[in-house]
Amino acid sequence: GAGVSQSPSNKVTEKGKDVELRCDPISGHTALYWYRQSLGQGLEFLIYFQGNSAPDKSGLPSDRFSAERTGGSVSTLTIQRTQQEDSAVYLCASSFRLNSPYGYTFGSGTRLTVV
Amino acid sequence: GQQLNQSPQSMFIQEGEDVSMNCTSSSIFNTWLWYKQDPGEGPVLLIALYKAGELTSNGRLTAQFGITRKDSFLNISASIPSDVGIYFCAALLDGGSQGNLIFGKGTKLSVKP
Repeated sequence: GAGVSQSPSNKVTEKGKDVELRCDPISGHTALYWYRQSLGQGLEFLIYFQGNSAPDKSGLPSDRFSAERTGGSVSTLTIQRTQQEDSAVYLCASSFRLNSPYGYTFGSGTRLTVV
Repeated sequence: GQQLNQSPQSMFIQEGEDVSMNCTSSSIFNTWLWYKQDPGEGPVLLIALYKAGELTSNGRLTAQFGITRKDSFLNISASIPSDVGIYFCAALLDGGSQGNLIFGKGTKLSVKP
């Protein structure tokens, strides 16, 4: 697509429920990144994919968080048994390749609210 | 690990004022980038810098790649209300556990009440 698309744009869920966040990167971009941003704060790195592979999952906050990417395109970030501290904006970005000197293109994010 | 120290953390602007912010590190980088995030949106690339000492402008924005390759500066001249938002510096790693870019914690620009 023309840009990075994230869905849903907003999600309200009850504590303890599982949620799935989706990211559709720019067509042809091989690298994909997930970040978390608490209200008005900085970008907390979660995980990146090169193709379908995630070489380092240590940025995920807990074992309730998982991510996958299939077909070198769409990625989903899953949060199991959501907690109130999971409330944040989850941003996805993509780049043509790792180490691209042109930086990332970000989506508009999914605002997650756990009540 | 490598990190970027961005300052100031926040600032208030009055229309017409010039604004300056910077990003420093103890590590050397070969590429510096500046992003702006509007409320409710993802960050958008403003300026990319690829050479030590380079000075690049984009309208009222001017950014510099420090000669030591350990810092970068962003200046906004004659600020207008739509300049409010969060500005992030970023630097390109070769490899690293975060893919390739590391980000500063951001400078939040708000309008003076």
